[in-house]
Amino acid sequence: DIQMTQSPSTLSASVGDRVTITCRASQSISSWLAWYQQKPGKAPKLLIYKASSLESGVPSRFSGSGSGTEFTLTISSLQPDDFATYYCLQYNTYWTFGQGTKVEIK
Amino acid sequence: QVQLVQSGAEVKKPGASVKVSCKASGYTFTTYAMHWVRQAPGQRLEWMGWINAGNGNTKYSQKFQGRVTITRDTSASTAYMEMSSLRSEDTAVYYCAREGSGSNDAFDIWGQGTMVIVSS
Repeated sequence: DIQMTQSPSTLSASVGDRVTITCRASQSISSWLAWYQQKPGKAPKLLIYKASSLESGVPSRFSGSGSGTEFTLTISSLQPDDFATYYCLQYNTYWTFGQGTKVEIK
Repeated sequence: QVQLVQSGAEVKKPGASVKVSCKASGYTFTTYAMHWVRQAPGQRLEWMGWINAGNGNTKYSQKFQGRVTITRDTSASTAYMEMSSLRSEDTAVYYCAREGSGSNDAFDIWGQGTMVIVSS
């Protein structure tokens, strides 16, 4: 099974900050990686697919990069609506989520 | 608009079964795969299995093989997830999620979630 490890688990940041979240795969997954945002009591929302493609309707301050085993999600200027938990998902071989990164208000 | 609407919350006793439904609208149901994902309290999302809504073929996570059955009713544009032999550790929110197509084959549309509580 492919394991996905996100870092950090929690991130404290302020509005306007540049934020980066990392996801590492236990083996190469090419570019088959997606990023999701989840708020309490809500379903996950797709932000990025195929490592770097922005889902329609998602603000351009979100971007993704990486391939193989290391990937990043960057929020260029954190907005109040962005405080949430973020998950990566690999879909190269079956489907596995990372453990999540909670972005908190500093 | 494209949406998935799930059935309501369930409370079950250990050893019982539960069946959760997921009704699709706004797109052609049979042209997309449907997945089921669960999230126990405070835990990460966990993939359970999927169904090809066109031909009914299924695949399950090894963890749930033999205990979970995913089916669909094409006439009702609805997918179902049934779990048997419930235990307290199965208390979670269960989501259905559509697998996109073409260049975007991540889970692009999600249901609102169904809370399943297993308690004696």
